[in-house]
Amino acid sequence: AQTVTQSQPEMSVQEAETVTLSCTYDTSESDYYLFWYKQPPSRQMILVIRQEAYKQQNATENRFSVNFQKAAKSFSLKISDSQLGDAAMYFCAYRRRTGNQFYFGTGTSLTVIP
Amino acid sequence: GAGVSQSPSNKVTEKGKDVELRCDPISGHTALYWYRQSLGQGLEFLIYFQGNSAPDKSGLPSDRFSAERTGGSVSTLTIQRTQQEDSAVYLCASSLGGDRGFHEQYFGPGTRLTVT
Repeated sequence: AQTVTQSQPEMSVQEAETVTLSCTYDTSESDYYLFWYKQPPSRQMILVIRQEAYKQQNATENRFSVNFQKAAKSFSLKISDSQLGDAAMYFCAYRRRTGNQFYFGTGTSLTVIP
Repeated sequence: GAGVSQSPSNKVTEKGKDVELRCDPISGHTALYWYRQSLGQGLEFLIYFQGNSAPDKSGLPSDRFSAERTGGSVSTLTIQRTQQEDSAVYLCASSLGGDRGFHEQYFGPGTRLTVT
């Protein structure tokens, strides 16, 4: 069974600084998809960034980028120039290439300090 | 276009009562998911529907929980004889489904259920 682990229940970052949220996963698959979702206090989950396992290049979306280490089964999220609006719960998720089941980590609560 | 909608946004019920939670997925999305999120916790998978296939009910915590999806669109999650431990936010998500492609999930705003 696939499992997703987020080892940092809480993180904090100074506004305008950079923070990295960690995520590791366990799978025997070679092809799959990885996602980071953000859940602000309004509780609406929003997709932040996604990565295909067979692509070596790390995905980037504006201030958000990932460090995908396939051999290590690691998928960390880097937030640059942190803003107050980045404060939220962040969830890492895994999906096999075939099938529709998603596996979520337990989340990391990010606080942005003004 | 319209996103995933859920109703009600908040529901307070007495222990022992039945409740129905509704989810309207994005039009054209064949996959629909239900999750439960307890206070400060991650997402607990409950059930998912894919097209006309039999739903994956492997996450339902007890036989008090059931869900149906009518016409491949709207879904209702029913909790019978509610217990206080059922208090949580229930999230619905939909995706394009299918075997290939990202098919990321789009989430609704959730229903906060409080059982008193």
